[in-house]
Amino acid sequence: QQPVQSPQAVILREGEDAVINCSSSKALYSVHWYRQKHGEAPVFLMILLKGGEQKGHEKISASFNEKKQQSSLYLTASQLSYSGTYFCGTDRSGSRLTFGEGTQLTVNP
Amino acid sequence: GAGVSQSPRYKVAKRGQDVALRCDPISGHVSLFWYQQALGQGPEFLTYFQNEAQLDKSGLPSDRFFAERPEGSVSTLKIQRTQQEDSAVYLCASSSAGTASGNTIYFGEGSWLTVV
Repeated sequence: QQPVQSPQAVILREGEDAVINCSSSKALYSVHWYRQKHGEAPVFLMILLKGGEQKGHEKISASFNEKKQQSSLYLTASQLSYSGTYFCGTDRSGSRLTFGEGTQLTVNP
Repeated sequence: GAGVSQSPRYKVAKRGQDVALRCDPISGHVSLFWYQQALGQGPEFLTYFQNEAQLDKSGLPSDRFFAERPEGSVSTLKIQRTQQEDSAVYLCASSSAGTASGNTIYFGEGSWLTVV
């Protein structure tokens, strides 16, 4: 089952903050976050594992609530380069990711 | 190679034609995934290999879709008798370990297939 992302889209001014949420109805091994710009490959941002371990970028933070099977991606002091579509990928099987429909983020000057 | 490489980048096929899409994963990566991404949607899982073994093909939409990785490195996704609904970006991804958990999965730029 596909995770649910919210919001579907968000528009920011440079320097503003944003939070993107991802929720699953099933228990998860891990949550992976990616950013994709039009016509390009999804780029890895962050992995959150059961037990609280995180691996990813220094400038991006995220959380994973295992009880609620929810993850949030925190983008602070947004830059123009943050624009793109953000996907969460959930791992329920230990072997593959199931992606949400994405959150389109636009950062304006 | 430095990243996941896919070819062709763009393919226009006439309806009914067969196509083959190639993926060259990061050298040494054990796991290889194929995803299909329609415009404005998230990637949808097609199939997964661990070395040469196809461990999960539950996402392949029909028996017209076939994937192989005979020597555990390069993979080919073949679509027979293409239909218009097959038009999408086909993304290949690879990972150094045998499971998704805790391991970064790296994506290629995709093969854009348009069926006319």
